[in-house]
Amino acid sequence: GAVVSQHPSRVICKSGTSVKIECRSLDFQATTMFWYRQFPKQSLMLMATSNEGSKATYEQGVEKDKFLINHASLTLSTLTVTSAHPEDSSFYICSARDARSTYEQYFGPGTRLTVT
Amino acid sequence: GNSVTQMEGPVTLSEEAFLTINCTYTATGYPSLFWYVQYPGEGLQLLLKATKADDKGSNKGFEATYRKETTSFHLEKGSVQVSDSAVYFCALSSNFGNEKLTFGTGTRLTIIP
Repeated sequence: GAVVSQHPSRVICKSGTSVKIECRSLDFQATTMFWYRQFPKQSLMLMATSNEGSKATYEQGVEKDKFLINHASLTLSTLTVTSAHPEDSSFYICSARDARSTYEQYFGPGTRLTVT
Repeated sequence: GNSVTQMEGPVTLSEEAFLTINCTYTATGYPSLFWYVQYPGEGLQLLLKATKADDKGSNKGFEATYRKETTSFHLEKGSVQVSDSAVYFCALSSNFGNEKLTFGTGTRLTIIP
């Protein structure tokens, strides 16, 4: 089946620094990728939708200047958390939609970010 | 706006017990409905889906029927196994081709031998 990877799986950074998380579709082309945030014991919250070659669409309340998303190729999207603060600590999950599929998303295993 | 409400966990059952995880939704139009499963240390995987009223999605012994009259999509399995232990998420997409998913809060299921 379709596989989506994320790197790193977990990262610890100091407050004020920036962190980049990669999301790759390993065996299919993804015209659309999604970034979610998951708080403990809560649901996944969609942060933004990224389409290859165009600017990401952010959900209401998500700061685009803080969470930079780049979808430079059909197999790679990156999320950069800029000037991270402890409240940015969370579990970040990406998903990718197969260009041949109308609606199925394939999810990555997630990245645990801890900001100290 | 769209929303999904699913039963709170955690749920603990003995092996071979009958499982029901309730899910109800609020949406405009005719949403597509999904159940995703997240095994420990892994990403979410699509378990089953239904795209129109009265459709039944099924996979790995799990079933869910799209009930428009009760706006529900309850997940059921007749005899659970230890390997079914995971977190289950109910989700909807508001219309065909709109791939934005709205998730419920997830239900952690633990099956004991």
